[in-house]
Amino acid sequence: GQQVMQIPQYQHVQEGEDFTTYCNSSTTLSNIQWYKQRPGGHPVFLIQLVKSGEVKKQKRLTFQFGEAKKNSSLHITATQTTDVGTYFCAGGRQGSNYKLTFGKGTLLTVNP
Amino acid sequence: NAGVMQNPRHLVRRRGQEARLRCSPMKGHSHVYWYRQLPEEGLKFMVYLQKENIIDESGMPKERFSAEFPKEGPSILRIQQVVRGDSAAYFCASSPQAGGDNEQFFGPGTRLTVL
Repeated sequence: GQQVMQIPQYQHVQEGEDFTTYCNSSTTLSNIQWYKQRPGGHPVFLIQLVKSGEVKKQKRLTFQFGEAKKNSSLHITATQTTDVGTYFCAGGRQGSNYKLTFGKGTLLTVNP
Repeated sequence: NAGVMQNPRHLVRRRGQEARLRCSPMKGHSHVYWYRQLPEEGLKFMVYLQKENIIDESGMPKERFSAEFPKEGPSILRIQQVVRGDSAAYFCASSPQAGGDNEQFFGPGTRLTVL
């Protein structure tokens, strides 16, 4: 079945440093979504990428979707303590794109 | 506009008991998804429902688990004869339209503990 691998599993940074998490799918995706989950909280939608090679920005966050639609990345510039949480990618399968396959997430901690 | 509501937020059951988890989607949303999350794991798709219909239950264990989304009332995820391995956070999400091209709005989750 479809698998979505996400690395790294954990990342600890000093406030102000950059952070990147990477997502790779074993199959071509129809779309990819990114979510953030604070400790003890629930996933909150950040963004969706649909087009091959797409790049989207939200303030300090930059999201990319690979040309082959099998990989994606989330980059945060100049991290802040409010960025703490687990970042998940979730891929939609072609033909049944409602069935999101989530990566295991990257837990980001930020040292003030 | 209330978000996705789930109750109870925390549920403790002894082995062999039944667990009923409820989910009320956002107003205007007729598509509901259930996910299970084990500690330090991603979310695993369980089932996708529309009003009165199960569209895809390929992520549901074959036994003891069932889900429904009746014409009136919340969606229910039911786990019969719970075992310790069922301990997890169960999240419900809803969307206004079908398909993964749409943002899924997640509820706060029900954290099930089986003693």
